[in-house]
Amino acid sequence: GIQVEQSPPDLILQEGANSTLRCNFSDSVNNLQWFHQNPWGQLINLFYIPSGTKQNGRLSATTVATERYSLLYISSSQTTDSGVYFCAVEGSNFGNEKLTFGTGTRLTIIP
Amino acid sequence: NAGVTQTPKFQVLKTGQSMTLQCAQDMNHEYMSWYRQDPGMGLRLIHYSVGAGITDQGEVPNGYNVSRSTTEDFPLRLLSAAPSQTSVYFCASSSIGGPNYGYTFGSGTRLTVV
Repeated sequence: GIQVEQSPPDLILQEGANSTLRCNFSDSVNNLQWFHQNPWGQLINLFYIPSGTKQNGRLSATTVATERYSLLYISSSQTTDSGVYFCAVEGSNFGNEKLTFGTGTRLTIIP
Repeated sequence: NAGVTQTPKFQVLKTGQSMTLQCAQDMNHEYMSWYRQDPGMGLRLIHYSVGAGITDQGEVPNGYNVSRSTTEDFPLRLLSAAPSQTSVYFCASSSIGGPNYGYTFGSGTRLTVV
């Protein structure tokens, strides 16, 4: 099946800092989503972004499908940004169609 | 619009007991799936369904059964609970293609098997 790798595994930042989270995937994709799992365990859909660039407030994401990676940018971090960020993909080739998650980046924002 | 609703939120079972985790969505999504999340790991797919009457296995199906009699509901059954099934379970739904494509997750069920 398709492999999804996220980096870094852990990130600790001061409030106000910017961060970049990376997701590499091993095959072509039909779907790529970024999720934020908050400290209460809820999975919040941030972006559906199989290609291109999207922005939503302080968050933006870019997927370069031809090079098989996606980046999530968080600017001016706030403590409420803390949690685990997951990248999940659906491959476009037979056998890779199911949504597969990476192991996540744990982000801790220190006041 | 409730989205994806999971019940219960918490459950403790004894080894060997059976139970059903409920999942319902009100978005008329064709695709529904169950995931489990273990500490330090991403979510792993248990079972999924592409429509009423159609189900299939995911990455970790052993010990779980599913059925899909309606578009809205996709219950997950644990036949004989084992401590290895202690986990957080998430249900998700999505449309298949279309402009609003993307997965929506329920709030999860935290299951402990003792």
